[in-house]
Amino acid sequence: SQELEQSPQSLIVQEGKNLTINCTSSKTLYGLYWYKQKYGEGLIFLMMLQKGGEEKSHEKITAKLDEKKQQSSLHITASQPSHAGIYLCGADPNRPYGQNFVFGPGTRLSVLP
Amino acid sequence: DAGVIQSPRHEVTEMGQEVTLRCKPISGHDYLFWYRQTMMRGLELLIYFNNNVPIDDSGMPEDRFSAKMPNASFSTLKIQPSEPRDSAVYFCASSLKGFLAKNIQYFGAGTRLSVL
Repeated sequence: SQELEQSPQSLIVQEGKNLTINCTSSKTLYGLYWYKQKYGEGLIFLMMLQKGGEEKSHEKITAKLDEKKQQSSLHITASQPSHAGIYLCGADPNRPYGQNFVFGPGTRLSVLP
Repeated sequence: DAGVIQSPRHEVTEMGQEVTLRCKPISGHDYLFWYRQTMMRGLELLIYFNNNVPIDDSGMPEDRFSAKMPNASFSTLKIQPSEPRDSAVYFCASSLKGFLAKNIQYFGAGTRLSVL
């Protein structure tokens, strides 16, 4: 079955640094969702991308979907300790705009003050 | 809205016992999902419902697992009998399908299950 891959697996950065997390699929993505999970808590929706080349921003987090709609990146500018957590990408790889999600393994981000 | 509500938040039980996890979705949402998260396998979709009807239960690991949604505001995930390998965090999520809603799934805080 289709899987989403994420890189890196974990990331430790100094506060104030920029960072990028990647999510890759071998199938075309019709809807790619980014979530954040704080340790011991549920997933919080961040952003959703649909169109090739689409880019969305929320506060200091920017997500992009490439033109082929097979890779997405999440970029955090001037990271803060509040950005720490696990970032997961999710999608239904089998049909457009489906609900049968698979999630990537997650990227664990630590931000050192 | 209070969001998706799961109970209990923590459950510790002994092998062989029945475990029931509960979920109240966001009012008005027509999809409900049950996920399991472990270090080894990550976040896995177990089953999901649309308008209280199970649509896809291919992720349910064994017959020991069952899920019900008797009405639009309540769902249960039952494990009987429980085994140590069922230890995980179980999440419930709900969504409202449609172009405007963008199929965004909203997650509960999860139930951390430990089977001894």
